[in-house]
Amino acid sequence: DAGVIQSPRHEVTEMGQEVTLRCKPISGHDYLFWYRQTMMRGLELLIYFNNNVPIDDSGMPEDRFSAKMPNASFSTLKIQPSEPRDSAVYFCASSPRTDSNQPQHFGDGTRLSIL
Amino acid sequence: TQLLEQSPQFLSIQEGENLTVYCNSSSVFSSLQWYRQEPGEGPVLLVTVVTGGEVKKLKRLTFQFGDARKDSSLHITAAQPGDTGLYLCAGARRNKLSFGAGTTVTVRA
Repeated sequence: DAGVIQSPRHEVTEMGQEVTLRCKPISGHDYLFWYRQTMMRGLELLIYFNNNVPIDDSGMPEDRFSAKMPNASFSTLKIQPSEPRDSAVYFCASSPRTDSNQPQHFGDGTRLSIL
Repeated sequence: TQLLEQSPQFLSIQEGENLTVYCNSSSVFSSLQWYRQEPGEGPVLLVTVVTGGEVKKLKRLTFQFGDARKDSSLHITAAQPGDTGLYLCAGARRNKLSFGAGTTVTVRA
């Protein structure tokens, strides 16, 4: 079975540019999560969706960050304009539901470097 | 500030030794999950503990959930180089997971 697929795996761009990260969740999973991982702050939840609807975006750091889920098989996380402090590994995860026993299935992440 | 505090931050041991990683919080969680992450990959679930006082064993790994559902531990017996990785605990509350900062475990051959 295909897992969560993220693209690109690596992105290097200059400060001020728009960055779009993409995620395809596992088919049939109703929940999709976007995380950011850094050495300083660890793994932080940015936003999560249920059935394509954003439920909690309290972790989104600034208005420069936005996320969409136009359908059940695709989500994007956009940063515009990007800044060097946005450099991190961004993970997408999906889950069939979020009762306490359900694991989240993570993609392999996008390593983002803003110069 | 992290909702979940993991200790130690780093652990380097010789193959065959035992190790314990701790995950502590002042908050109560409905469950606690342990993940392992290898370089260049996303975290992968090892186990979920749900009931206070619960103990789960996964081969050489033993997971314990505190009676008050605020803390947990992971114990590895006779560690092997393949156990090397970043171990993350995550507490579940209100549909969300809060992750600890992680413990980097290195097992030397």
